[in-house]
Amino acid sequence: DADVTQTPRNRITKTGKRIMLECSQTKGHDRMYWYRQDPGLGLQLIYYSFDVKDINKGEISDGYSVSRQAQAKFSLSLESAIPNQTALYFCATSDSRQGWDNEQFFGPGTRLTVL
Amino acid sequence: DQQVKQNSPSLSVQEGRISILNCDYTNSMFDYFLWYKKYPAEGPTFLISISSIKDKNEDGRFTVFLNKSAKHLSLHIVPSQPGDSAVYFCAASGYGGSQGNLIFGKGTKLSVKP
Repeated sequence: DADVTQTPRNRITKTGKRIMLECSQTKGHDRMYWYRQDPGLGLQLIYYSFDVKDINKGEISDGYSVSRQAQAKFSLSLESAIPNQTALYFCATSDSRQGWDNEQFFGPGTRLTVL
Repeated sequence: DQQVKQNSPSLSVQEGRISILNCDYTNSMFDYFLWYKKYPAEGPTFLISISSIKDKNEDGRFTVFLNKSAKHLSLHIVPSQPGDSAVYFCAASGYGGSQGNLIFGKGTKLSVKP
């Protein structure tokens, strides 16, 4: 079984719709992240959470919100989807007990298309 | 302004030869560097890392070199295999920015031809 799972894997929606992407992990990690990948732009950090009570904005948080319902779950919401949010979305986890090094473990990704 | 730069979007190498992927960074507060490998339709997977107290780290066919004075690191793959064909991301972290976060480059697509 995968350690970091994302649902759905693919989603097509229309402009203005509210969308939620879910991430679950069984690694027991305290830190979770949401990234977005656009062609040729690498991975950009949207939001991150270092524990259940901690939510922080990343580089490109506008138009997105998150919820850390439990240590193992971190969801990303698009309140009103727009076409330029069409992208590949990745969830990742890391363990603060690793210390200053920060290897992150990624889920398989969600491909979101906003028409 | 990009803090981590991978200036070569793509690289093509013959099987058995060496692949060298380059990465430059601008933030001197970065103290840990990682390489991730990504296949289509999958999430990135960790490949190898290096801390700023070292200048080389080796793991099998993969070696990462760090030149702090030049703010440059490189990933060497020897010998290259067709299964190495993927997108490679360089990433950096440090305490200068948000602690524990990674800053990624745009990636280099490596193609290893049989």
